[in-house]
Amino acid sequence: DSGVTQTPKHLITATGQRVTLRCSPRSGDLSVYWYQQSLDQGLQFLIQYYNGEERAKGNILERFSAQQFPDLHSELNLSSLELGDSALYFCASSVSSGPLSTEAFFGQGTRLTVV
Amino acid sequence: GQQVMQIPQYQHVQEGEDFTTYCNSSTTLSNIQWYKQRPGGHPVFLIQLVKSGEVKKQKRLTFQFGEAKKNSSLHITATQTTDVGTYFCAGDQAGTALIFGKGTTLSVSS
Repeated sequence: DSGVTQTPKHLITATGQRVTLRCSPRSGDLSVYWYQQSLDQGLQFLIQYYNGEERAKGNILERFSAQQFPDLHSELNLSSLELGDSALYFCASSVSSGPLSTEAFFGQGTRLTVV
Repeated sequence: GQQVMQIPQYQHVQEGEDFTTYCNSSTTLSNIQWYKQRPGGHPVFLIQLVKSGEVKKQKRLTFQFGEAKKNSSLHITATQTTDVGTYFCAGDQAGTALIFGKGTTLSVSS
């Protein structure tokens, strides 16, 4: 158990809909990362938050947004869903209090299927 | 932007053979991390390399960080069926974000 909790584990929704994925980081970790994993696409970095503020942005679509709340949990919002958004979405957390990225702990992921 | 490339994408070996995966970055990295993802699982941290030319060993696994801090490798000696999975390298530039390569998927037949 990595200590990172993601809900829900599975999500099936229709095209055009909006969903929210939730992540609770490990206790004490201030940094939260979101990644998208599609078949043969590896782990695509979406966005990072550190202590409530956006720290880095990857190839995140404008239809996607995220935030980190004062209790450090994070939510990833995906809207106007398309078939191509079907993927495994991972959240990871790390201490990341210094200039170097520290070890990241991954949640079990949310499997999103858009039909 | 920063890119991290990994080769090969897939590798099949017979149990007992060695395996190596290579990671190259388009930019100088502050550090590099390696992760393993078992089939159906989530990535799990293996190791972090920080210094130029650093070499670290974990039992049958040997990790190297290049002198220019732009490349790295993971070598597994005498593979076992438990080594099956996808191995990812991940790098960053001065703590911006962890960028992952596409991974090398290792299969092992006994």
